[in-house]
Amino acid sequence: KAGVTQTPRYLIKTRGQQVTLSCSPISGHRSVSWYQQTPGQGLQFLFEYFSETQRNKGNFPGRFSGRQFSNSRSEMNVSTLELGDSALYLCASSPRPQDEKLFFGSGTQLSVL
Amino acid sequence: SQQGEEDPQALSIQEGENATMNCSYKTSINNLQWYRQNSGRGLVHLILIRSNEREKHSGRLRVTLDTSKKSSSLLITASRAADTASYFCATDPARKLIFGTGTRLQVFP
Repeated sequence: KAGVTQTPRYLIKTRGQQVTLSCSPISGHRSVSWYQQTPGQGLQFLFEYFSETQRNKGNFPGRFSGRQFSNSRSEMNVSTLELGDSALYLCASSPRPQDEKLFFGSGTQLSVL
Repeated sequence: SQQGEEDPQALSIQEGENATMNCSYKTSINNLQWYRQNSGRGLVHLILIRSNEREKHSGRLRVTLDTSKKSSSLLITASRAADTASYFCATDPARKLIFGTGTRLQVFP
């Protein structure tokens, strides 16, 4: 069974641009979560989706948004990029929201110049 | 603010030695998990311990939980060079998985 797939692996953008990151969960997994990892703040929860509905949201500004499609694939979007948005963005999936164990993708490394 | 704080921040040992990492958290929990992250990659789930459990084993891993002290420890026995990675504890208040700051473990051959 294929693992969680995140694309692209690396991304370079400039301030003010927007970016869309993609995540394909493990087949059969319907819950998808996103995390931001930076050296300064560590791993921080962004949001969680299940059945195309956002179930939970972390403390990030409205520039960070996401969505989930009927096939459980998810995308996150960051608008008006700032230098501080440079981070490793990790997607994780689980069969259901109440499943505690998460399966992570390898992440998208975003650099904002 | 982060739910978990880990200690030490970094640990260097020789192959065959044991490695112990500690995690402290702030609020009541249903369970605590440990994850491993190889450099710049995704996290891999290692073990989960529930709030009513005190100790759990999985292969060379031993996890303890002390809810009265709001702390957990991860012991890796007979470490190998392949264990070199960052280790994170994670708790789930309000269904938002909150990670600790992590311990960077370096195992030298």
